[in-house]
Amino acid sequence: KQEVTQIPAALSVPEGENLVLNCSFTDSAIYNLQWFRQDPGKGLTSLLLIQSSQREQTSGRLNASLDKSSGRSTLYIAASQPGDSATYLCAHSGSARQLTFGSGTQLTVLP
Amino acid sequence: DGGITQSPKYLFRKEGQNVTLSCEQNLNHDAMYWYRQDPGQGLRLIYYSQIVNDFQKGDIAEGYSVSREKKESFPLTVTSAQKNPTAFYLCASSIDGRNSNQPQHFGDGTRLSIL
Repeated sequence: KQEVTQIPAALSVPEGENLVLNCSFTDSAIYNLQWFRQDPGKGLTSLLLIQSSQREQTSGRLNASLDKSSGRSTLYIAASQPGDSATYLCAHSGSARQLTFGSGTQLTVLP
Repeated sequence: DGGITQSPKYLFRKEGQNVTLSCEQNLNHDAMYWYRQDPGQGLRLIYYSQIVNDFQKGDIAEGYSVSREKKESFPLTVTSAQKNPTAFYLCASSIDGRNSNQPQHFGDGTRLSIL
């Protein structure tokens, strides 16, 4: 059964720091890896989608990478801001073409 | 503005009662999804529909039912058979469910609690 793991479960950093969130998955058959942001009591906002043929995707201060051989993806956030505080979830789309989600990393950026 | 609307935002269910959660989208998306999120956990797929009048069970379909009579609407019924319904329910849609390289767009969720 596909499993997606995100470490750490929570992270607190001072404003301006660069940070990396980690995601690992067990299913080597991958169509894409997606990163989402969730604010408290809200739905998910799609941040980045990396297709299986790609190694990374960038949007503004966000960069996501995909290493299929090791079953890992990272989300890099540059120059963090208090507005980046949220829960970040990764999701793997594999052989079943459905998304399997990790439990998320709760990020707090301190002003 | 185009988007996904879930209602109500909060819902309370009595023992033995069926309740229906609404999900409407005006994005002209073919595929729609229902997820359940429990505290500190990721989302788990309940049901999905790739096209009107068709839907498939997800990983945790027991105790739930859906219909897809219109492209814009995908209501979820939580039946009395669902013994632990307290959770945050999220509806999503994507342009084409057969192409998993299309991102899913989410509503703001419905929080269901037991009275």
